[in-house]
Amino acid sequence: QSALTQPASVSGSPGQSITISCTGTSSDVGGYNYVSWYQQHPGKAPKLMIYDVSNRPSGVSNRFSGSKSGNTASLTISGLQAEDEADYYCSSYTSSSTGVFGTGTKVTVL
Amino acid sequence: QVQLQESGPGLVKPSETLSLTCTVSGYSISSGYYWGWIRQPPGKGLEWIGSFYHTGSTYYNPSLKSRVTISADTSKNQFSLKLSSVTAADTAVYYCARDASGTLPRYYFDYWGQGTLVTVSS
Repeated sequence: QSALTQPASVSGSPGQSITISCTGTSSDVGGYNYVSWYQQHPGKAPKLMIYDVSNRPSGVSNRFSGSKSGNTASLTISGLQAEDEADYYCSSYTSSSTGVFGTGTKVTVL
Repeated sequence: QVQLQESGPGLVKPSETLSLTCTVSGYSISSGYYWGWIRQPPGKGLEWIGSFYHTGSTYYNPSLKSRVTISADTSKNQFSLKLSSVTAADTAVYYCARDASGTLPRYYFDYWGQGTLVTVSS
């Protein structure tokens, strides 16, 4: 299985909104509503931000939202803050009942 | 509060077997949920290794399946990872984590260990 494709980097100014894409195939992202997103700060373990495409775990800011269209899922961060600067990874369930992560996106707050 | 802690050798020789243990506190691994291993080579992205359920159901990354075994010691509330025939490409931070999905794996990892760096080198 191949890693899901994400842009290497995305940047934005404080207060702006940014969107990170995650492109897979009909055997993973496009075939199931089992896409999740993780935030990872340097030297730290990843943190679950979104699951089931668009659901937020308790405690995650509503500035983070997820969506999906066809084989591409997206994570939008609105009202960008300095603390949002981190690496972000998508993940999906696959038709083989296995999991696959995205290539990762570095978010920079200008 | 669910907590996970990885433990094991930080240095493994090429061709040998990497063995790590994840000790879980705050939740019994026999009570449910899938539990998994994820790794991250230095400066690179996350890679799912495999997940297991206490009933014995396991799923492995196809690219690693021939070398990976995940098992559990429910009496100690621990689960372990064994990766055989390691090479330098297996050098990574290894994380254990809980899959929040429930009785079927959906790969929503809500609790993570801090990670442990394993270096493969002679």
